[in-house]
Amino acid sequence: EIVMTQTPLSSPVTLGQAASISCRSSRTLVHNDGNTYLTWLHQRPGQPPRVLIYKISNRFSGVPDRFSGSGAVTDFTLNISRVEAEDVGLYYCMQGTEFPHTFGPGTRVEIK
Amino acid sequence: DVQLVESGGNSVQPGGSLRLSCAASGFTFSNSWIYWVRQGPGKGLVWVSRISPEGKVVNYEDSVRGRFTMSRDNARTTAYLEMNSLRGEDTAIYYCARGSHGWSGIDFWGQGTLVTVSS
Repeated sequence: EIVMTQTPLSSPVTLGQAASISCRSSRTLVHNDGNTYLTWLHQRPGQPPRVLIYKISNRFSGVPDRFSGSGAVTDFTLNISRVEAEDVGLYYCMQGTEFPHTFGPGTRVEIK
Repeated sequence: DVQLVESGGNSVQPGGSLRLSCAASGFTFSNSWIYWVRQGPGKGLVWVSRISPEGKVVNYEDSVRGRFTMSRDNARTTAYLEMNSLRGEDTAIYYCARGSHGWSGIDFWGQGTLVTVSS
């Protein structure tokens, strides 16, 4: 199965400042159909995960534009342009290119 | 709105059984893959099983294959996870989730139901 890794595992940030999370896959995430199925999820404390970004850079319905995704093949990045208090929690990358779908270990974002 | 509501979580002894349910609404259930994903205490997300829209294809994670059985009733718009021979390492929040439409992945998640396996 494809192994997903994330850095950093913990990210203390100042409100209003930018944050960046990296995700790397052990194999290419480019599907035979030409798409790259890399998803970013956010999980607030005590809540289920919710989708932020799909196919590398597409914001899911209702997601603020301060969230953006980039990358290709095996290396991907989630950027938060100006961190707000509601952005704390765990961020996961997930690949849907090969089954089983696999998740990164998660990056904890907290406010300094 | 898409809704997935899990139920059936409980505390059981090792070797025991539980049946989880996932009641869906707000979308065409019979067109959707459904997943179970679990999260152990303080741990990350792990896929457990998934079932195809018509229920003909079911996949399982290695550690649960032979012990867990996933099924669905499209008329009741409900998916199920029958869990037998439960072990301590099965302790987790179990989330029901929908296979995404238009891209490969998972889009909507339920609130989860807690399964605790302990003597």
